[in-house]
Amino acid sequence: DSGVTQTPKHLITATGQRVTLRCSPRSGDLSVYWYQQSLDQGLQFLIQYYNGEERAKGNILERFSAQQFPDLHSELNLSSLELGDSALYFCASSVGYRGGTTEAFFGQGTRLTVV
Amino acid sequence: AQSVSQHNHHVILSEAASLELGCNYSYGGTVNLFWYVQYPGQHLQLLLKYFSGDPLVKGIKGFEAEFIKSKFSFNLRKPSVQWSDTAEYFCAVTSRNTGNQFYFGTGTSLTVIP
Repeated sequence: DSGVTQTPKHLITATGQRVTLRCSPRSGDLSVYWYQQSLDQGLQFLIQYYNGEERAKGNILERFSAQQFPDLHSELNLSSLELGDSALYFCASSVGYRGGTTEAFFGQGTRLTVV
Repeated sequence: AQSVSQHNHHVILSEAASLELGCNYSYGGTVNLFWYVQYPGQHLQLLLKYFSGDPLVKGIKGFEAEFIKSKFSFNLRKPSVQWSDTAEYFCAVTSRNTGNQFYFGTGTSLTVIP
């Protein structure tokens, strides 16, 4: 168990809908990362938050947004869903952004299926 | 552009064969290097990491990796693979120059045939 919790584990929804994926980082970790993993694109970095603030953006679509709350949990919102958004979405956390780094710990992922 | 390259996309080996997976990065300054493994249906788990010191790093399950700064490489090795090593392997880099953000390679799929 990595200590990173993601909910839900599985999600099936229709095209055009909106979903919210949730991530609780390891206790004490301030940085949260979101990744999308699909068969054809591999592991794609979406966005990083540190202590509530956005720190880095990767290949995140405008239809997607995220935030990190004061209690450090994070949510990834996916809207106007398309078939191509079907993927495994991972959240990872690490200790921090400044002053050094440690490894990132990954959650079990949310498997999103858009039908 | 900053990048992490894993040149082997798919590797198939027989049990007891030796393994070497390549990883090259293009970042300036001080880097931290990682190898993660993803077993079928599971999340990514850390195999080993390099922050500083001895460039030959030993990880779990008999894996090791060597940091060669002059070649910007961090190749993963195992002398004798087992069927249970079948998994996806990801190389990752963080750099103070990039705010310690994690950058992952595209992964190498390893299949070990019994």
